[in-house]
Amino acid sequence: EVQLVESGGGLAHPGESLRISCAASGFTFSTYWMDWVRQAPGKGLVWVARVEDDGGRTTYADSVKGRFIVSRDNAKKTLSLQMNSLRGEDTAVYYCARVWGYGGYARYDFWGQGILVTVSS
Amino acid sequence: QAVLTQPPSVSGAPGQRVTISCTGSSSNIGADYHVHWYQQVPGRAPKLLIYGNTDRPSGVPDRVSGSKSGTSASLAITGLQAEDEADYYCQSYDSSLSGVVFGGGTKLTVL
Repeated sequence: EVQLVESGGGLAHPGESLRISCAASGFTFSTYWMDWVRQAPGKGLVWVARVEDDGGRTTYADSVKGRFIVSRDNAKKTLSLQMNSLRGEDTAVYYCARVWGYGGYARYDFWGQGILVTVSS
Repeated sequence: QAVLTQPPSVSGAPGQRVTISCTGSSSNIGADYHVHWYQQVPGRAPKLLIYGNTDRPSGVPDRVSGSKSGTSASLAITGLQAEDEADYYCQSYDSSLSGVVFGGGTKLTVL
Protein backbone atom coordinates (compact mmCIF):
# COMPACT_ATOMS: atom_id res chain seq x y z
CA GLU A 1 0.00 0.00 0.00
CA VAL A 2 1.36 3.40 -1.00
CA GLN A 3 1.78 5.71 1.98
CA LEU A 4 3.07 9.27 2.21
CA VAL A 5 3.40 10.72 5.71
CA GLU A 6 4.40 14.34 6.26
CA SER A 7 6.07 15.61 9.42
CA GLY A 8 7.85 18.65 10.82
CA GLY A 9 5.21 21.35 10.51
CA GLY A 10 4.32 23.89 13.13
CA LEU A 11 4.66 27.57 13.98
CA ALA A 12 7.41 29.83 12.67
CA HIS A 13 7.89 33.59 12.88
CA PRO A 14 8.27 35.69 9.73
CA GLY A 15 11.82 35.45 8.42
CA GLU A 16 12.52 32.13 10.16
CA SER A 17 13.16 28.72 8.62
CA LEU A 18 11.33 25.41 8.87
CA ARG A 19 11.93 22.00 7.32
CA ILE A 20 9.16 19.55 6.55
CA SER A 21 9.56 15.97 5.42
CA CYS A 22 7.56 13.23 3.77
CA ALA A 23 8.24 9.55 4.44
CA ALA A 24 7.29 7.26 1.56
CA SER A 25 6.51 3.56 1.66
CA GLY A 26 4.80 0.90 -0.42
CA PHE A 27 6.43 1.76 -3.74
CA THR A 28 9.84 2.18 -5.39
CA PHE A 29 10.42 5.77 -4.27
CA SER A 30 13.54 6.29 -6.38
CA THR A 31 11.64 5.89 -9.67
CA TYR A 32 9.05 8.63 -9.14
CA TRP A 33 9.14 12.41 -9.36
CA MET A 34 7.70 14.01 -6.21
CA ASP A 35 6.00 17.35 -5.65
CA TRP A 36 4.95 19.62 -2.83
CA VAL A 37 1.52 21.24 -3.13
CA ARG A 38 0.10 23.67 -0.57
CA GLN A 39 -3.31 24.93 0.42
CA ALA A 40 -3.78 28.12 2.42
CA PRO A 41 -6.70 28.09 4.89
CA GLY A 42 -9.97 28.20 2.96
CA LYS A 43 -8.16 28.51 -0.38
CA GLY A 44 -7.31 26.31 -3.35
CA LEU A 45 -4.42 24.04 -4.22
CA VAL A 46 -1.15 25.60 -5.36
CA TRP A 47 1.89 23.79 -6.71
CA VAL A 48 5.10 24.61 -4.79
CA ALA A 49 8.03 22.50 -5.97
CA ARG A 50 9.12 19.38 -7.83
CA VAL A 51 12.12 17.09 -7.63
CA GLU A 52 12.81 14.51 -10.30
CA ASP A 53 13.48 10.87 -9.48
CA ASP A 54 17.26 11.07 -9.00
CA GLY A 55 17.14 14.46 -7.30
CA GLY A 56 19.17 16.00 -10.09
CA ARG A 57 16.57 18.49 -11.29
CA THR A 58 14.28 20.68 -9.24
CA THR A 59 11.67 23.29 -10.22
CA TYR A 60 9.82 25.85 -8.13
CA ALA A 61 6.82 28.14 -8.25
CA ASP A 62 7.84 31.79 -8.60
CA SER A 63 6.36 32.54 -5.16
CA VAL A 64 8.94 30.35 -3.39
CA LYS A 65 11.92 30.43 -5.79
CA GLY A 66 15.09 31.41 -3.98
CA ARG A 67 13.55 30.76 -0.53
CA PHE A 68 12.53 27.07 -0.59
CA ILE A 69 14.69 24.05 -1.41
CA VAL A 70 13.23 20.66 -2.29
CA SER A 71 15.40 17.57 -1.91
CA ARG A 72 15.16 13.84 -1.53
CA ASP A 73 17.04 10.94 0.00
CA ASN A 74 16.23 7.86 -2.05
CA ALA A 75 18.04 5.54 0.35
CA LYS A 76 15.82 6.74 3.20
CA LYS A 77 12.74 7.15 0.95
CA THR A 78 12.26 10.67 2.21
CA LEU A 79 11.25 13.92 0.52
CA SER A 80 12.06 17.24 2.19
CA LEU A 81 11.22 20.90 1.82
CA GLN A 82 13.53 23.44 3.44
CA MET A 83 11.58 26.68 3.83
CA ASN A 84 13.63 29.83 4.48
CA SER A 85 12.68 33.48 4.89
CA LEU A 86 9.13 32.45 5.70
CA ARG A 87 6.29 34.92 5.15
CA GLY A 88 2.73 35.06 6.38
CA GLU A 89 1.49 34.04 2.95
CA ASP A 90 3.37 30.74 3.29
CA THR A 91 0.85 29.67 5.95
CA ALA A 92 -0.80 26.57 4.52
CA VAL A 93 -1.28 22.85 4.70
CA TYR A 94 1.59 21.32 2.73
CA TYR A 95 0.99 18.06 0.89
CA CYS A 96 3.59 15.79 -0.63
CA ALA A 97 2.31 14.07 -3.73
CA ARG A 98 3.57 11.31 -5.98
CA VAL A 99 3.82 12.29 -9.63
CA TRP A 100 2.66 9.82 -12.27
CA GLY A 101 3.79 10.62 -15.79
CA TYR A 102 6.07 13.34 -17.07
CA GLY A 103 6.05 16.94 -18.18
CA GLY A 104 2.70 18.24 -19.33
CA TYR A 105 0.96 14.95 -18.79
CA ALA A 106 1.86 14.42 -15.12
CA ARG A 107 -0.79 13.93 -12.48
CA TYR A 108 -0.84 13.17 -8.75
CA ASP A 109 -1.94 9.63 -8.01
CA PHE A 110 -1.17 9.59 -4.29
CA TRP A 111 -1.15 12.35 -1.67
CA GLY A 112 0.02 12.57 1.92
CA GLN A 113 -2.39 13.63 4.66
CA GLY A 114 -0.87 17.12 4.78
CA ILE A 115 1.03 19.08 7.42
CA LEU A 116 0.16 22.55 8.68
CA VAL A 117 2.76 25.30 8.59
CA THR A 118 1.79 28.54 10.31
CA VAL A 119 3.86 31.70 9.90
CA SER A 120 2.91 34.35 12.40
CA SER A 121 4.50 36.82 14.78
CA GLN B 1 -5.58 34.15 -8.63
CA ALA B 2 -5.64 30.68 -10.15
CA VAL B 3 -4.38 30.19 -13.73
CA LEU B 4 -7.30 27.88 -14.58
CA THR B 5 -10.80 29.29 -14.05
CA GLN B 6 -13.55 27.29 -12.37
CA PRO B 7 -16.96 28.41 -11.08
CA PRO B 8 -16.82 28.89 -7.30
CA SER B 9 -19.87 26.73 -6.72
CA VAL B 10 -22.39 24.44 -8.37
CA SER B 11 -25.33 22.56 -6.92
CA GLY B 12 -27.82 19.90 -7.82
CA ALA B 13 -30.47 17.66 -6.33
CA PRO B 14 -29.88 13.96 -5.72
CA GLY B 15 -30.07 12.04 -8.98
CA GLN B 16 -29.40 15.09 -11.15
CA ARG B 17 -26.42 15.84 -13.40
CA VAL B 18 -23.94 18.63 -12.78
CA THR B 19 -20.98 19.86 -14.77
CA ILE B 20 -17.94 21.85 -13.64
CA SER B 21 -15.98 23.83 -16.20
CA CYS B 22 -12.26 24.56 -16.23
CA THR B 23 -11.07 27.30 -18.58
CA GLY B 24 -7.45 27.85 -19.47
CA SER B 25 -5.41 29.32 -22.31
CA SER B 26 -3.08 28.49 -25.17
CA SER B 27 -0.17 27.91 -22.80
CA ASN B 28 -1.87 25.19 -20.76
CA ILE B 29 -5.07 23.34 -21.73
CA GLY B 30 -4.94 24.75 -25.27
CA ALA B 31 -1.37 23.52 -25.68
CA ASP B 32 -2.71 19.99 -25.55
CA TYR B 33 -1.48 19.28 -22.05
CA HIS B 34 -3.60 16.86 -20.10
CA VAL B 35 -6.27 17.97 -17.64
CA HIS B 36 -6.76 16.05 -14.42
CA TRP B 37 -9.50 16.39 -11.80
CA TYR B 38 -9.37 15.93 -8.02
CA GLN B 39 -12.05 15.61 -5.36
CA GLN B 40 -11.36 17.00 -1.90
CA VAL B 41 -13.58 16.45 1.08
CA PRO B 42 -12.98 19.21 3.67
CA GLY B 43 -10.17 18.29 6.04
CA ARG B 44 -8.91 15.52 3.79
CA ALA B 45 -6.24 15.21 1.09
CA PRO B 46 -7.29 15.51 -2.56
CA LYS B 47 -8.12 12.32 -4.45
CA LEU B 48 -7.54 11.77 -8.17
CA LEU B 49 -10.90 11.55 -9.94
CA ILE B 50 -10.12 11.89 -13.67
CA TYR B 51 -6.73 11.76 -15.41
CA GLY B 52 -5.62 12.31 -18.99
CA ASN B 53 -8.74 14.41 -19.72
CA THR B 54 -11.16 11.49 -19.75
CA ASP B 55 -9.85 8.44 -17.86
CA ARG B 56 -11.04 7.18 -14.48
CA PRO B 57 -8.74 5.55 -11.91
CA SER B 58 -9.84 2.21 -10.57
CA GLY B 59 -12.63 2.64 -8.06
CA VAL B 60 -14.11 5.85 -9.49
CA PRO B 61 -17.69 5.16 -10.67
CA ASP B 62 -18.62 5.58 -14.32
CA ARG B 63 -21.16 8.26 -13.46
CA VAL B 64 -18.11 10.55 -13.26
CA SER B 65 -16.67 11.65 -16.62
CA GLY B 66 -14.30 14.21 -18.08
CA SER B 67 -13.99 15.95 -21.42
CA LYS B 68 -11.75 18.51 -23.06
CA SER B 69 -12.11 20.83 -26.03
CA GLY B 70 -9.85 23.66 -27.09
CA THR B 71 -8.79 25.67 -24.05
CA SER B 72 -11.43 24.23 -21.72
CA ALA B 73 -12.28 21.02 -19.91
CA SER B 74 -15.31 19.80 -18.03
CA LEU B 75 -16.13 17.36 -15.27
CA ALA B 76 -19.59 15.80 -15.27
CA ILE B 77 -21.24 13.88 -12.46
CA THR B 78 -24.55 12.14 -13.10
CA GLY B 79 -26.89 10.52 -10.59
CA LEU B 80 -25.75 12.93 -7.86
CA GLN B 81 -25.37 11.42 -4.41
CA ALA B 82 -24.86 13.03 -1.02
CA GLU B 83 -21.32 11.63 -0.93
CA ASP B 84 -20.41 13.74 -3.99
CA GLU B 85 -20.56 16.91 -1.90
CA ALA B 86 -16.96 18.14 -1.91
CA ASP B 87 -14.54 20.57 -3.55
CA TYR B 88 -13.33 19.79 -7.06
CA TYR B 89 -10.10 21.00 -8.68
CA CYS B 90 -8.79 20.79 -12.24
CA GLN B 91 -5.03 20.60 -12.88
CA SER B 92 -2.81 20.93 -15.92
CA TYR B 93 0.64 22.17 -16.92
CA ASP B 94 1.56 25.63 -18.14
CA SER B 95 4.46 26.08 -20.54
CA SER B 96 4.80 29.82 -19.86
CA LEU B 97 5.12 29.23 -16.11
CA SER B 98 7.02 25.94 -16.54
CA GLY B 99 4.97 24.41 -13.79
CA VAL B 100 1.80 22.72 -12.61
CA VAL B 101 -1.34 24.86 -12.47
CA PHE B 102 -4.65 24.31 -10.69
CA GLY B 103 -8.10 25.77 -10.97
CA GLY B 104 -9.43 27.78 -8.05
CA GLY B 105 -11.75 24.96 -7.03
CA THR B 106 -15.52 24.43 -7.21
CA LYS B 107 -17.68 23.59 -4.23
CA LEU B 108 -20.37 21.07 -5.14
CA THR B 109 -23.46 21.14 -2.95
CA VAL B 110 -26.01 18.34 -3.11
CA LEU B 111 -29.34 19.92 -2.25
